[in-house]
Amino acid sequence: DAKTTQPPSMDCAEGRAANLPCNHSTISGNEYVYWYRQIHSQGPQYIIHGLKNNETNEMASLIITEDRKSSTLILPHATLRDTAVYYCIALTNFGNEKLTFGTGTRLTIIP
Amino acid sequence: ETGVTQTPRHLVMGMTNKKSLKCEQHLGHNAMYWYKQSAKKPLELMFVYNFKEQTENNSVPSRFSPECPNSSHLFLHLHTLQPEDSALYLCASSQDRQGALGNTIYFGEGSWLTVV
Repeated sequence: DAKTTQPPSMDCAEGRAANLPCNHSTISGNEYVYWYRQIHSQGPQYIIHGLKNNETNEMASLIITEDRKSSTLILPHATLRDTAVYYCIALTNFGNEKLTFGTGTRLTIIP
Repeated sequence: ETGVTQTPRHLVMGMTNKKSLKCEQHLGHNAMYWYKQSAKKPLELMFVYNFKEQTENNSVPSRFSPECPNSSHLFLHLHTLQPEDSALYLCASSQDRQGALGNTIYFGEGSWLTVV
């Protein structure tokens, strides 16, 4: 798996867009970028993933740079329930690789 | 609601007890997993099942015994555990272990285990 680097913590005001960066400068051509989050005491929740193109779903948007060395997860209108640790992972597919979450970014939504 | 249900959510057991954790997925997936998450440590893969067959045992002690009767159900049988086994045990599923690139894994809420 490519190594990913995320800031340890971020704050965002409620109702604003939360933009969480991730660096993955050694990512290979067939590695996807996945984002998960974990709210205290719960299992990790899948958010979104992408390979090259920007992706959007009901939870978030994923912006991947053209060189694929970094990406940004965007929560368009953050709520207090979005407070969690967010993990960025780069790998080909979960079935063949051991998942390592790393330390992630602790996002705190401020009322 | 992730489509992966784990029971019980919390379990306290003595070192001589025998207990089981249960996982059920409603996603029609063929692969299921057990992970362990200890405080301030990354996820540790324990077991992988694909089409009911165990395809990976990540050097897990024999006091943890998995069972997969069908593609929708996965159990983790616990026997003579140690206090250091206290952790969050996570079940997960994915469409196929050998699936196409971009395969996604979905986790259950986890079972908090405390060994006393």
